[in-house]
Amino acid sequence: DAGVIQSPRHEVTEMGQEVTLRCKPISGHDYLFWYRQTMMRGLELLIYFNNNVPIDDSGMPEDRFSAKMPNASFSTLKIQPSEPRDSAVYFCASSLGFAGYTFGSGTRLTVV
Amino acid sequence: QQQVKQSPQSLIVQKGGISIINCAYENTAFDYFPWYQQFPGKGPALLIAIRPDVSEKKEGRFTISFNKSAKQFSLHIMDSQPGDSATYFCAASRYGGSQGNLIFGKGTKLSVKP
Repeated sequence: DAGVIQSPRHEVTEMGQEVTLRCKPISGHDYLFWYRQTMMRGLELLIYFNNNVPIDDSGMPEDRFSAKMPNASFSTLKIQPSEPRDSAVYFCASSLGFAGYTFGSGTRLTVV
Repeated sequence: QQQVKQSPQSLIVQKGGISIINCAYENTAFDYFPWYQQFPGKGPALLIAIRPDVSEKKEGRFTISFNKSAKQFSLHIMDSQPGDSATYFCAASRYGGSQGNLIFGKGTKLSVKP
């Protein structure tokens, strides 16, 4: 099993540009989570899906953020327009049920 | 009530020593308490987890102690090694419930000196 696969690993973009982060969960997992990690705020849950359906998006910071899961093997997190304060490491995680999340290696986003 | 408070923020231990990281929670509905280990450039990885029906769980050099009445749990790393140097996160959730997403502590950066 290749684990949770995220792309790109690093993204540097200019303020105002659209950014799309991608995630392939572990096959058979029914939950998918998007987290953001910063030194100041730690690990913050942005949104999670169950069987491709968004369940809780209360952690999405504002309307500039959106997430989709068109099928069981793919999810995207989009930021449009991006701002410097969005700079962080974004993690995708998947699980079977709620126990034992498997995290991807993350996408380090830098908005200049 | 959704918070998990973790301490200390950073910890330096000599090789062979015991590392202790503490967490406290408020929500009595939490019933699943995992610990995650994160190395630089990697995502957090599940290390060990406990349910409140036991007071202690041990896996190798790693032990979780759980105090339900105090709403506290801790991670003990025995015979700490330089390879244990990482950031450790405690977490809590209502396992199997509709609000089961993990709530993470802020993390503890552990450095084990040779």
